[in-house]
Amino acid sequence: DTAVSQTPKYLVTQMGNDKSIKCEQNLGHDTMYWYKQDSKKFLKIMFSYNNKELIINETVPNRFSPKSPDKAHLNLHINSLELGDSAVYFCASSHRGQQPQHFGDGTRLSIL
Amino acid sequence: GENVEQHPSTLSVQEGDSAVIKCTYSDSASNYFPWYKQELGKRPQLIIDIRSNVGEKKDQRIAVTLNKTAKHFSLHITETQPEDSAVYFCAASYNQGGKLIFGQGTELSVKP
Repeated sequence: DTAVSQTPKYLVTQMGNDKSIKCEQNLGHDTMYWYKQDSKKFLKIMFSYNNKELIINETVPNRFSPKSPDKAHLNLHINSLELGDSAVYFCASSHRGQQPQHFGDGTRLSIL
Repeated sequence: GENVEQHPSTLSVQEGDSAVIKCTYSDSASNYFPWYKQELGKRPQLIIDIRSNVGEKKDQRIAVTLNKTAKHFSLHITETQPEDSAVYFCAASYNQGGKLIFGQGTELSVKP
C-alpha cells in the first residue's frame, strides 16, 4: 500500500479554472505538507498542517486554499488557475512535525 | 532569511568514481539535514540524513558530513553506479513545524 497517495497524478486544465488535489497518508502521521516543484526542479514549502490546524503558510497567494478534514488527509484547492501555477505538487507527511518526511508521488499540474 | 545553497548544479562522473555534493545553510538554528534522491518523474526519496549533534554518518556507499561552525554539509557517494544517476537535493530544517528548506538540486550523471 502506498504510504502517501495523491490524486490525480496528472491534471491538465485551462487558465481561470478551479481545481483540487487530494492527499491521504496511512502512516498514522499527524503533520502534512504541500510542496511545489517548479520547472527548474526547485522544491518549496507551501503549507503545513498539524492535527488539522494550519501551522505554516509560506506567503502563498490566497487562490490556494488547503483543507484538512482529518489528520490523515490534506487537500489543496486552487482558484482561478494561472500559467505560473504549472508545476508538480508534492504532498508529504511526518510524525509530530518531526523528521523524516515521506513524500507522495506528486501531481503534475499543467495549465493551458 | 532561510536559505540553502547547493553546488554543483550538474555533476558528471565515470562509473566507479566518487561524487561529492556540497550545501551551505543560512539559519544557525537548523538541526536536521536530509538528502533526497529524485529520479525522473518520481517523488523525492530520502537516502540519508544527519542531525546537528552528529558530525558524520555513513550508510554503505553513501556518507554525509556536517560542519556546524561553517554551516556546511556534504553528500559523498563512493563507487558510483549508473543507477545513482538522478537529481539530488539537500535540505535543512529546524523545529518550526518541520518545514524543509531545499537546495537547488544537483543533477548527477554516472557514465558507464
